[in-house]
Amino acid sequence: DAGITQSPRHKVTETGTPVTLRCHQTENHRYMYWYRQDPGHGLRLIHYSYGVKDTDKGEVSDGYSVSRSKTEDFLLTLESATSSQTSVYFCAISEVDRSFQYFGAGTRLSVL
Amino acid sequence: EDQVTQSPEALRLQEGESSSLNCSYTVSGLRGLFWYRQDPGKGPEFLFTLYSAGEEKEKERLKATLTKKESFLHITAPKPEDSATYLCAVSYGNNRLAFGKGNQVVVIP
Repeated sequence: DAGITQSPRHKVTETGTPVTLRCHQTENHRYMYWYRQDPGHGLRLIHYSYGVKDTDKGEVSDGYSVSRSKTEDFLLTLESATSSQTSVYFCAISEVDRSFQYFGAGTRLSVL
Repeated sequence: EDQVTQSPEALRLQEGESSSLNCSYTVSGLRGLFWYRQDPGKGPEFLFTLYSAGEEKEKERLKATLTKKESFLHITAPKPEDSATYLCAVSYGNNRLAFGKGNQVVVIP
């Protein structure tokens, strides 16, 4: 998975609780992305980062926030988890914005 | 309206039976088209990037081609290990990237 580690790999949580997913890279790539993947949909961008402390929204950002305090770490937080946020979350990295990306193995999140 | 459409959604092939997957796109200002392979329970694995019409890339039994409005992923003499979902994505306009829903391929021994 090209030096990308996502944690946890699986999580079950309850509605209303905050959840943080972590993405760690060892490639020193500038750009990092969080996607969600759901049946019947393509990968959809939640948030992305173009440098330390530089982040921006993607197409499905409502209910999510991100932080990047170090080049290698990109955190995704669900402020108050809802059942509609049950999904598989992927982190990706790239050297050039919107160029080909390397993906992590994913985090399967279930919100009950 | 979907900007990237992949067809067929699902495909079952006999081992050795060559076929093609289609990715059509409606975006303007294409900057690049990417093919990925995704196995169940894993993240997408990068296969190819195509930048301009007429460009072709090959890797083992896979060959990707690009025209002005679509790309094809040709699978020649597939083997069971080629079973996967193949994802297409396009980079376009002002730093935008859109993914298709994928082509699920099953190769039967």
